[in-house]
Amino acid sequence: SQKIEQNSEALNIQEGKTATLTCNYTNYSPAYLQWYRQDPGRGPVFLLLIRENEKEKRKERLKVTFDTTLKQSLFHITASQPADSATYLCALGGYQKVTFGTGTKLQVIP
Amino acid sequence: DAGITQSPRHKVTETGTPVTLRCHQTENHRYMYWYRQDPGHGLRLIHYSYGVKDTDKGEVSDGYSVSRSKTEDFLLTLESATSSQTSVYFCAISSSGTENEAFFGQGTRLTVV
Repeated sequence: SQKIEQNSEALNIQEGKTATLTCNYTNYSPAYLQWYRQDPGRGPVFLLLIRENEKEKRKERLKVTFDTTLKQSLFHITASQPADSATYLCALGGYQKVTFGTGTKLQVIP
Repeated sequence: DAGITQSPRHKVTETGTPVTLRCHQTENHRYMYWYRQDPGHGLRLIHYSYGVKDTDKGEVSDGYSVSRSKTEDFLLTLESATSSQTSVYFCAISSSGTENEAFFGQGTRLTVV
């Protein structure tokens, strides 16, 4: 069965450092991958989409990589700030269907 | 924020009672989705709609039904609520299917006692 793995343990990093979150998947050949941010008590907010034929995508301080051979996506936040503290979800998509991971909680320490 | 509103935001109901959650959008997006979010499971798709009166099942559709009589409204009904349906429910919309970014509502916290 399809499986998406995000680190269930919280990631704590110092302000100013680069945060790297991992999304691994098995038994899946997604056409694209999305990353969302979710704050407590709120719905997810879309951040980035990367397609299967793209290796890397950037948006401001965010960078996403997508390795279909390793079946892995890495999500980087450079120069992290306390305001980046949230849970980050990856979502893998194909025709008419998106499957979400359980998310990784990021805590940026001032 | 995208124009998407869920109601109610919180609800406590008894086992066996029917419950309807409403999702209203002002964006005129074609696609609408209902998800539930539970600890350890992430977001799971219940049902989705790709147009007025056009709906389909997601991965956890048992015990749920939906209706979409207007572009702007997507209703989720629990015909006979059970404790296993205690969850946070999110509605989402997108303009052109799942590849496009989805805009999520604020969520409805439902407790079945």
